[in-house]
Amino acid sequence: GAGVSQTPSNKVTEKGKYVELRCDPISGHTALYWYRQSLGQGPEFLIYFQGTGAADDSGLPNDRFFAVRPEGSVSTLKIQRTERGDSAVYLCASSPTGGGGGYTFGSGTRLTVV
Amino acid sequence: KQEVTQIPAALSVPEGENLVLNCSFTDSAIYNLQWFRQDPGKGLTSLLLIQSSQREQTSGRLNASLDKSSGRSTLYIAASQPGDSATYLCAVRRAGNQFYFGTGTSLTVIP
Repeated sequence: GAGVSQTPSNKVTEKGKYVELRCDPISGHTALYWYRQSLGQGPEFLIYFQGTGAADDSGLPNDRFFAVRPEGSVSTLKIQRTERGDSAVYLCASSPTGGGGGYTFGSGTRLTVV
Repeated sequence: KQEVTQIPAALSVPEGENLVLNCSFTDSAIYNLQWFRQDPGKGLTSLLLIQSSQREQTSGRLNASLDKSSGRSTLYIAASQPGDSATYLCAVRRAGNQFYFGTGTSLTVIP
């Protein structure tokens, strides 16, 4: 596609529920990143994929968070047993490779846990 | 861990002024640095990307400089317009693939 697409744009869920957030990167971009942005803060790294594999998942806060990219394009960020502290904007970005290029970000998914 | 600081946190200027946003980082061993713009409730729009071997990049009214040895970058906006009002984020990338972001400078340009 022309840009990075994230769905849904907004998600409200009850505490304890499971959610999935989807990212569709720019076609041909092998590198995909998930970030989380809390109110008034800069984005914080969660996980980086190169192709189908998670090359760096050091930013995932705990084992309730998991992400997949089974075919090397679309990625899904999965959050189990959501907590109110998980409320944030989840941003996805892609780049042509994992090398020196810049990122292109999607518009994000605003997750609210009530 | 790389720490990125942006000063000022907020800035309000009258239309037409030239302004400078500052970004500093603690580890000078960076791969590149990218400036982004974020409008309220929106994602990030890339403005300028500076590789570690470069000193500056220009796009229209925007000019970004990089002094790697001192751990600083500046974003210069010439002849500011109300449409420039947004939050500006600086992000630094080391040899790994994650960017480290500052908390941003919230800019308001008053007509």
